[in-house]
Amino acid sequence: DVQMTQSPASLSASVGDRVTITCRASQDINNFLNWYQQKPGKAPKLLIYAASRLQYGVPSRFSGSGSGTDFTLTVSGLQPEDFATYFCQHRYSSTRSFGLGTKVEIK
Amino acid sequence: QVQLVESGGGLVKPGGSLRLSCAASGFTLSDYYMSWIRQAPGGGLEWVSYISDSPVTTGISTTSYADSVKGRFTISRDNTNNLLYLEMNSLRAEDAAVYFCAREGHSWYRGGFDFWGQGTLVTVSS
Repeated sequence: DVQMTQSPASLSASVGDRVTITCRASQDINNFLNWYQQKPGKAPKLLIYAASRLQYGVPSRFSGSGSGTDFTLTVSGLQPEDFATYFCQHRYSSTRSFGLGTKVEIK
Repeated sequence: QVQLVESGGGLVKPGGSLRLSCAASGFTLSDYYMSWIRQAPGGGLEWVSYISDSPVTTGISTTSYADSVKGRFTISRDNTNNLLYLEMNSLRAEDAAVYFCAREGHSWYRGGFDFWGQGTLVTVSS
């Protein structure tokens, strides 16, 4: 099964900062990689699918890149509402799995 | 509009059983892969199971399970009533979590879980 390693586990940032989160797959998953944002007590929200495609309605300050085993989520110009936990997830073959998450906190 | 509403969670003793339901509206359940995903308190997301879409040609869906629940949980779907189920048997303390049902975007555009329910809490304790 494909394992997803996400880093960092947490980070502190200020409004306006550029933030980068990485996710590494244990094997080549092409671009079958998605990113989610989750706030406390809420269901996750899809941000990016197919590694780099912005889900409808998601602000353009969110972007994704990568293919194969290494992927990146970037938030360009962090906004107050972006402080949350972010998860990567693969949909390669007949299983699915998530990274352990990155908590983005206010510095 | 698309909506998913889970129900059936509650308190169950170790070794017990529970059936979760997910009522879908705004789309046809059998046209999409559907998953159950769980989240233990304060923990991360764990994919539990999916059921594939139901091709017009065969009407046959496939299922897949995480190793942690294989042989104990069963996913199924009622196409007539647009309902998704998760039958959970031999429950363990480590199965305690909020369980979400989620719709997965079509594979041809490599979609992610684009719609989620609000979750239903399962507590396993004696």
